[in-house]
Amino acid sequence: AQSVAQPEDQVNVAEGNPLTVKCTYSVSGNPYLFWYVQYPNRGLQFLLKYITGDNLVKGSYGFEAEFNKSQTSFHLKKPSALVSDSALYFCAVRVTSNTGKLIFGQGTTLQVKP
Amino acid sequence: SQTIHQWPATLVQPVGSPLSLECTVEGTSNPNLYWYRQAAGRGLQLLFYSVGIGQISSEVPQNLSASRPQDRQFILSSKKLLLSDSGFYLCAYTWGRRRTDTQYFGPGTRLTVL
Repeated sequence: AQSVAQPEDQVNVAEGNPLTVKCTYSVSGNPYLFWYVQYPNRGLQFLLKYITGDNLVKGSYGFEAEFNKSQTSFHLKKPSALVSDSALYFCAVRVTSNTGKLIFGQGTTLQVKP
Repeated sequence: SQTIHQWPATLVQPVGSPLSLECTVEGTSNPNLYWYRQAAGRGLQLLFYSVGIGQISSEVPQNLSASRPQDRQFILSSKKLLLSDSGFYLCAYTWGRRRTDTQYFGPGTRLTVL
């Protein structure tokens, strides 16, 4: 069965410090992985995705994610956090079908304090 | 470019009343369409998806139904709302049929059932 886990409900970092939001996955076949961000009362915004190739994927707003096949992880990172990065972050994996369905993790709240 | 719209943005309905939420996509044809519900600002639950006009797949049997009367229109309905139907409803689309295609989300509808 395919699944995604975000082990932390909340991550707290100080502004200017690096941040990491963790994600691990379980899929059969090649993993197609996505990160989304959600601000309060808004829809999800696409940040980045891993399809193939370079294990370090760069995305919007200075975010990047590192794909690690051996650890089945796809952690989201940013070198220097901003207060405006405070939001709910979702990791997702594409299911192995042509329906385009995604399986989402439970989300991690990122709190960046000034 | 593609855009996705949802309306209404906010809705307060009494228990037992009907529901109709609408989602439309512009700038693309034959998208895959999805309805999600998000309760308590956390995890996303896929309710329905559609790969074409009149083709609806239900993920979770419940009080809701979906229809796709036109290529780029996706409607979520209920004949009689329950308190448990309250939540944040998100529509999403995928442009293309490849597993690498990104799913994009609309702004959402906040439904409160009283």
